[in-house]
Amino acid sequence: EVQLVESGGVVVQPGGSLRLSCATSGFNFDDYTMHWVRHTPGKGLEWVSLITWDGSGAYYADSVEGRFTISRDNSKNSLYLQMNSLTTEDTALYHCAKEGDTRRMFWFSDVWGRGTLVTVSA
Amino acid sequence: EIVLTQSPGTLSLSPGERATLSCRASQSVSSSYLAWYQQKPGQAPRLLIYGASSRATGIPDRFSGSGSGTDFTLTISRLEPEDFAVYYCQQYGSSLTFGQGTKLEIK
Repeated sequence: EVQLVESGGVVVQPGGSLRLSCATSGFNFDDYTMHWVRHTPGKGLEWVSLITWDGSGAYYADSVEGRFTISRDNSKNSLYLQMNSLTTEDTALYHCAKEGDTRRMFWFSDVWGRGTLVTVSA
Repeated sequence: EIVLTQSPGTLSLSPGERATLSCRASQSVSSSYLAWYQQKPGQAPRLLIYGASSRATGIPDRFSGSGSGTDFTLTISRLEPEDFAVYYCQQYGSSLTFGQGTKLEIK
C-alpha cells in the first residue's frame, strides 16, 4: 500500500523557519516526481512546489519562490520542504503528493498524505 | 497562468440524486489535462478523474468526467452518503492550478 505521512507542522512566528518532512512507502520513490500542496479554508488547494524523481529539477509557486526549498533523499524515501521568512499567508495544511506516472513532472497526483498543519502567528 | 473557476460554490442535493459540477478554464487546457479530486475534512484529497474522463483506480463508475478545451464537468450519477464532500478540479497542461472547489452538501 502506498503511504505518505507528513510531519513537522507547528506554530511559528512571522519571519520564522520550519522544515516539513514526508515519509513514503509502498512504491519506488526514486521513480516519481513529488509535490507539496497546501490547503486553506479560504483559498482551497494551492500547489506549492515539486521536485523531479532524481532531484535535478525543482519548481515553485510564485508565492513561495525564494523563501521555500524543496528537497528529497531517495535513500530514505523522504521528501522535505524548508520554509523560511514565513508570513501569516503561509498558514495552511501542507500535503505531500505523489505524481500519477513515473518520470514526469507537472502531472496529476494519484496519492496524497493527510497533511501537517503549519500556523504562522505572533 | 490558467485560472479555473468552479460552479456552483455549494450544491445541495439528496442521496440518490444526480450531481453535476462544472470547471471552466480561462484558456484552453491542452490535451484535456484536467483532473478531479474529492476531499473530506481531515482526510487526504482523493484522485477521482484524470485526463478529463479517465477514472482513477478503485473509483466507482457513478463518477464520470467529461469536457475539453475550457469546459469540464464532473457528474455523480446517483449520490451515496459518502459522496458529500468538497470537489476540486486541477489542470496540469500548463504548470499546475486548482479550482476553488465545490462543496457538495446534503439537502
